[in-house]
Amino acid sequence: EAGVVQSPRYKIIEKKQPVAFWCNPISGHNTLYWYLQNLGQGPELLIRYENEEAVDDSQLPKDRFSAERLKGVDSTLKIQPAELGDSAVYLCASSRTNEQFFGPGTRLTVL
Amino acid sequence: QQPVQSPQAVILREGEDAVINCSSSKALYSVHWYRQKHGEAPVFLMILLKGGEQKGHDKISASFNEKKQQSSLYLTASQLSYSGTYFCGTGFPNAGGTSYGKLTFGQGTILTVHP
Repeated sequence: EAGVVQSPRYKIIEKKQPVAFWCNPISGHNTLYWYLQNLGQGPELLIRYENEEAVDDSQLPKDRFSAERLKGVDSTLKIQPAELGDSAVYLCASSRTNEQFFGPGTRLTVL
Repeated sequence: QQPVQSPQAVILREGEDAVINCSSSKALYSVHWYRQKHGEAPVFLMILLKGGEQKGHDKISASFNEKKQQSSLYLTASQLSYSGTYFCGTGFPNAGGTSYGKLTFGQGTILTVHP
């Protein structure tokens, strides 16, 4: 069974530029999560999807962050414009029941 | 609401045992344990649901004390491959007594195993 796929693995951009991350969850997993992980910290939830519906986006900074999961499968997280403080690893996870499985993440560096 | 993990770091020699604790100030529905190696994704270890159960596989086990709102991860006869950062993720019950599906992660415990 293939795991959670994320791309790109690394991204370096200048501040004020837009950036997008893509995630393809494990087949059959209806729930998809986007997390942010700062160095030395645990993952922090940004948004959770049940199929195509965002059921928890309370921690998503909506002035610059957006996400979509149009067909209830893969998902895109976008930042526009990026700020220096957005440098972090963006993790995608998926689940069918209680167990969440993480992808390798995208390491974003904003210069 | 973030759970508190202790210790922050532990250094072991191969074959030694370790215990990592995870405490919450709120009532818990579930506790999830993950191990993350540097530059890699967190890897799922096990989940414990409310009920005070204990789980384990190989030489890693965990307990969940619902009354004390805490969980402990036990690593027995540690191996070099156990090195990494261990995170607990806590799930809280909704009004219906089941899970919101959202996890809040602790700060992590760095485990280093030396030969």
